[in-house]
Amino acid sequence: KNEVEQSPQNLTAQEGEFITINCSYSVGISALHWLQQHPGGGIVSLFMLSSGKKKHGRLIATINIQEKHSSLHITASHPRDSAVYICAGYYGGSQGNLIFGKGTKLSVKP
Amino acid sequence: GAGVSQSPRYKVAKRGQDVALRCDPISGHVSLFWYQQALGQGPEFLTYFQNEAQLDKSGLPSDRFFAERPEGSVSTLKIQRTQQEDSAVYLCASSSPSAPEAFFGQGTRLTVV
Repeated sequence: KNEVEQSPQNLTAQEGEFITINCSYSVGISALHWLQQHPGGGIVSLFMLSSGKKKHGRLIATINIQEKHSSLHITASHPRDSAVYICAGYYGGSQGNLIFGKGTKLSVKP
Repeated sequence: GAGVSQSPRYKVAKRGQDVALRCDPISGHVSLFWYQQALGQGPEFLTYFQNEAQLDKSGLPSDRFFAERPEGSVSTLKIQRTQQEDSAVYLCASSSPSAPEAFFGQGTRLTVV
């Protein structure tokens, strides 16, 4: 049973639009990763956060641990943002393990 | 190395063939994870090493799957007698004791025909 849920599953946007991807989880995760996966398969870590908000360029990630919810926002979207965005919950342990969502496939049209 | 390196990037195997997938983690990273990602799905945990010790192999789907990390650095995931359902991207990630952020390799896309 996948305990990390993402929405939407697929998202198509026009260049320049503001994009929000949501992630909710049902277990006691202590931190959350947002990852970007391009068609070649490689995964890049965008953010790891345990509270509040982080910003990097046009990307903003927020998390509310009490509500078990996180969002990834992309401002002024661009076709090069097209990728699969995956949230993954880090539930500790030694170095811990990640529970992954199924991903949100984003396509930004020019 | 600069990042996590996996090889081969692509592997086509005939059903019944054995395959070996290699992961070269970031130098000094103690923890190493293997994940399996089926088409259209998020990655699923396979196994976890801390140095050379395999601490968790609960995600390995069958006894045809075997992973090792004999010297605590490079790891190999071996799949014996491959089946079509083994077709997936196999991802490796490593992390250091000082921070739980995981760094991922490019993955190996295995296709069993």
